Amino acid sequence: DQQVKQNSPSLSVQEGRISILNCDYTNSMFDYFLWYKKYPAEGPTFLISISSIKDKNEDGRFTVFLNKSAKHLSLHIVPSQPGDSAVYFCAATFSGTYKYIFGTGTRLKVLA
Amino acid sequence: DAGVIQSPRHEVTEMGQEVTLRCKPISGHDYLFWYRQTMMQGLELLVYFNNKAVMDDSGMPKDRFSAKMPNASFSTLKIQPSEPRDSAVYFCASRSWHPRDNSGNTIYFGEGSWLTVV
Repeated sequence: DQQVKQNSPSLSVQEGRISILNCDYTNSMFDYFLWYKKYPAEGPTFLISISSIKDKNEDGRFTVFLNKSAKHLSLHIVPSQPGDSAVYFCAATFSGTYKYIFGTGTRLKVLA
Repeated sequence: DAGVIQSPRHEVTEMGQEVTLRCKPISGHDYLFWYRQTMMQGLELLVYFNNKAVMDDSGMPKDRFSAKMPNASFSTLKIQPSEPRDSAVYFCASRSWHPRDNSGNTIYFGEGSWLTVV
């Protein structure tokens, strides 16, 4: 039972354009969401997060949007750069537990 | 500051052999997680600890996997006997306890242990 789903295994975007990565979840108890970036042969690193009391959080070129009614979040990268090419994982957790559930990842390729 | 340290980085073993993966969390972190990365499942949570106690091991195959945290700075994940389907990258991660705010909710990953069972 995949509680956090990333339905697009891969995405290619031209340098300078917007990258939009999507994530859906099924458990309405989730109240905190995170995005991680992973380069080959490295561990995932934290990118940005959002609490369920917000619908948007921005950090430089990265913005995460949360739509609770649709149980959907998205990560926007503007403008996309070749160094953004990596696998992106979304993750969810909820109060009362420190159990982080990750999706299957989306491989982003930014073309120069 | 040292991050999460895992060993070995790479392991090739024969089916049926015992495999032990090791992890040193970030100093002061109360929570330790073991994840497995596969193509089909992404990052699967196998087990996590709080203050050395197992909090949830529902993702871990109990017949062949075992996880221990004998002290606050060391954890092991053991597979016995290993099978080819266990081939994956195993990540250890840790985080500190922190009230829910934007700074303390992230978990920090090690570089992973690449396991190949032939």
